[in-house]
Amino acid sequence: AQSVTQLDSQVPVFEEAPVELRCNYSSSVSVYLFWYVQYPNQGLQLLLKYLSGSTLVKGINGFEAEFNKSQTSFHLRKPSVHISDTAEYFCAVSGPSGAGSYQLTFGKGTKLSVIP
Amino acid sequence: DGGITQSPKYLFRKEGQNVTLSCEQNLNHDAMYWYRQDPGQGLRLIYYSQIVNDFQKGDIAEGYSVSREKKESFPLTVTSAQKNPTAFYLCASGWQGNSPLHFGNGTRLTVT
Repeated sequence: AQSVTQLDSQVPVFEEAPVELRCNYSSSVSVYLFWYVQYPNQGLQLLLKYLSGSTLVKGINGFEAEFNKSQTSFHLRKPSVHISDTAEYFCAVSGPSGAGSYQLTFGKGTKLSVIP
Repeated sequence: DGGITQSPKYLFRKEGQNVTLSCEQNLNHDAMYWYRQDPGQGLRLIYYSQIVNDFQKGDIAEGYSVSREKKESFPLTVTSAQKNPTAFYLCASGWQGNSPLHFGNGTRLTVT
């Protein structure tokens, strides 16, 4: 079984300041990691993904995340946020669930509020 | 444009009535999924289907039913047995394996 913990339910930050949204996961097997963003009353959009290779992953809108296997973390960062980054962010882990299939498990989300 | 279409965007029903939420995709994806989203609880998997005419229960399947008669379509029925149906429902599709999912824009169901 796998699980995802997003350590902060809400993160307020001033415009142009840096931000880090924290995500820890647990799994007994190798996993794949994702960050999604959700704007109000919309579906989720993929920000970035880690499948293999370099542990620093760059995504859309200037976001990046670092996979740390020893700490089982996949924190999301942006050096300078904009008002338009105000949204809810979800960390997700995908791992094998038997019979060749994979299951995607989501964290509970972190609401990022950018303050002008 | 390729994508996932969920309809309607808002749906209102009286308690005791069954209601069906539509989900159509033209991305030629094999797998389709239904998630339920409640404030502060993230996304919880209701049902998923990896191939036509086959589907599996997710973590919270009680009170829901699905069908997968066509690759493009994966409708979700919320039955009267679902004790707390008011929620935001998201449909997603993807290739099998570890590929990321594509999401529709959701249907907000309110049952009174």
